[in-house]
Amino acid sequence: EPEVTQTPSHQVTQMGQEVILRCVPISNHLYFYWYRQILGQKVEFLVSFYNNEISEKSEIFDDQFSVERPDGSNFTLKIRSTKLEDSAMYFCASRGTRDYGYTFGSGTRLTVV
Amino acid sequence: SQQGEEDPQALSIQEGENATMNCSYKTSINNLQWYRQNSGRGLVHLILIRSNEREKHSGRLRVTLDTSKKSSSLLITASRAADTASYFCATDKYGNKLVFGAGTILRVKS
Repeated sequence: EPEVTQTPSHQVTQMGQEVILRCVPISNHLYFYWYRQILGQKVEFLVSFYNNEISEKSEIFDDQFSVERPDGSNFTLKIRSTKLEDSAMYFCASRGTRDYGYTFGSGTRLTVV
Repeated sequence: SQQGEEDPQALSIQEGENATMNCSYKTSINNLQWYRQNSGRGLVHLILIRSNEREKHSGRLRVTLDTSKKSSSLLITASRAADTASYFCATDKYGNKLVFGAGTILRVKS
């Protein structure tokens, strides 16, 4: 069964550093997403991406964050100047059409120290 | 906010029993989806029910949707220890993002 692949599974970074979280969505999917889950809290929407541009972003997704689909297969989330409160599990998701469920990756656990 | 909220927050049952989880939301939706998350792992899509559907089955799962009450329920029949996980409902209003509830932690004792 097709999977969404996320790397790395766990990343530890120092406060103020930049991190790039990588995702390989399912190859024929058209809609891409990033969500995050702070430990013990809800899964929160960050951003959706379609047709090579952001289609919607949440209040969380400020200038510190950016997304890119650099080569037609990877989908990345960049977090500049990380803060302690950015520590969370970050999930990438994709789907083919609007009438189907999302396929989520296994997540990247980001720890900012 | 279109947030879905589940109840109960936690549910503990014996293997073989049925588990029912409920979800409420606030706005009109295009569809409602249920996901499972094993501890510290990714989210697994279980079932999607569209706003014009009232009930849907998938294996041991039964989902109902009442748009007049803005609520949904997930029933897992004949539960197994492997069903132990967190279960989330998520609403999709325009087809461009999911809004998740806080989840129900299900523990199935063997």
